[in-house]
Amino acid sequence: NAGVTQTPKFQVLKTGQSMTLQCAQDMNHNSMYWYRQDPGMGLRLIYYSASEGTTDKGEVPNGYNVSRLNKREFSLRLESAAPSQTSVYFCASSGQSGGGETQYFGPGTRLLVL
Amino acid sequence: RKEVEQDPGPFNVPEGATVAFNCTYSNSASQSFFWYRQDCRKEPKLLMSVYSSGNEDGRFTAQLNRASQYISLLIRDSKLSDSATYLCVVNGGKLIFGQGTELSVKP
Repeated sequence: NAGVTQTPKFQVLKTGQSMTLQCAQDMNHNSMYWYRQDPGMGLRLIYYSASEGTTDKGEVPNGYNVSRLNKREFSLRLESAAPSQTSVYFCASSGQSGGGETQYFGPGTRLLVL
Repeated sequence: RKEVEQDPGPFNVPEGATVAFNCTYSNSASQSFFWYRQDCRKEPKLLMSVYSSGNEDGRFTAQLNRASQYISLLIRDSKLSDSATYLCVVNGGKLIFGQGTELSVKP
């Protein structure tokens, strides 16, 4: 099992450019998530998808769109990148652990917007 | 008040020391609790779940106090490899992550 995979690992964009971050999981999880992590801010939820075909906004959705393509894949799109979107982006999926439902993260995408 | 708050850190300790992290949460209806570990520039990884009765995994002990709404993580006999950021995570219908406490274990 690869777990949760993300592409690309690194990306540099100019202000106004668009891009899509890809995420896939092979654990047959229903729920998937996109977070951003900034210094001193912790992990903040951008969007999540409780199941195939559904998506919902999280804490910081502005400037982003998502697509739950199928059960395995959940992509995050920046239509017009801004310097404030410079961050590390993590995708996660959730499944049952001993203590309840918990999340498994991908390796992250480091995005720099100039 | 933040939904999940952790000790600000950083904690700098010598090898072999015992270190404890505390975390408080505001949602009294929270049902499950976890500690995650995040190494520099890597993704968070589940360290251990936290059970009501307290639980231990080797050198790591997690405890939950529902009445006071706090969770703790105790690391005994610290190793250099324990250096990381430790995230407290609370599930009250959705997962809320604390900001993390950085631990640095020195030789």
